[in-house]
Amino acid sequence: EAGVAQSPRYKIIEKRQSVAFWCNPISGHATLYWYQQILGQGPKLLIQFQNNGVVDDSQLPKDRFSAERLKGVDSTLKIQPAKLEDSAVYLCASSPRRGMPYNEQFFGPGTRLTVL
Amino acid sequence: SQQGEEDPQALSIQEGENATMNCSYKTSINNLQWYRQNSGRGLVHLILIRSNEREKHSGRLRVTLDTSKKSSSLLITASRAADTASYFCATVPSILTGGGNKLTFGTGTQLKVEL
Repeated sequence: EAGVAQSPRYKIIEKRQSVAFWCNPISGHATLYWYQQILGQGPKLLIQFQNNGVVDDSQLPKDRFSAERLKGVDSTLKIQPAKLEDSAVYLCASSPRRGMPYNEQFFGPGTRLTVL
Repeated sequence: SQQGEEDPQALSIQEGENATMNCSYKTSINNLQWYRQNSGRGLVHLILIRSNEREKHSGRLRVTLDTSKKSSSLLITASRAADTASYFCATVPSILTGGGNKLTFGTGTQLKVEL
C-alpha cells in the first residue's frame, strides 16, 4: 500500500514570501490532517478535513494560513506571507473514517520549511 | 497547545537494556497512542490503548494507562540501536471533551540506544 505522499521535501524562502505544500493521502482515507512540528516539539494540528469538509481548524492562523482539499483527495496548505516563526516541518497525515476514533494516523515524510 | 508532557526529555541506554518513558496529560481521553519518529521512517504509529484498558502489549512494547492519574508509560524491552528515535504520546479526547479523531501530541522523549 502506498503511503502518504508530500512535496516538496524541503523549501527555503524569505519572510513575507508565499509557499504551498501538497499532500496526497492513502487511497480511500477519508480524513486528512495537516500538522506543524517546530524543532524540539511534538506535532501540532493545524487543520483536519473529513472528505472535503473542514472538521477542525481552531489552531490554524487564518490570517496567513489556508488549506483546501478539493474533491476529497489531495490537499494543499498555503502560507502567505511567511514569518520567521513559520520555520518548521509540515506533516500531512491520513486515516480511514471507519473505526474512528480508534484509528492510527499515517504520516507522510513532511516538508521542512526554512524562512529566512 | 501540547496536551501531554513526556518524561524524561532524553534517555540514553545500552543495547539490551529496557527503556521506560512516561506521559502525563490533562483532559479526559478516549484513547492514547504512542508514536515513534526518526529521520529514516518519519512518524510511525506504535500502539493504541483505550481509556478502559490498563495495559497492552505489542512485541517488545508494553504500554500502561492510569486514567485516574492521567498518565501512561511506554516500556521497550531488550532495546536495540534501531530503537533510537523520538517517542511521542498522543491523546484523542473523549466525547465529553469534543471527541473525533483529533490527536494532541506531547513534547516527546529522545531515546538513544548505544551499542
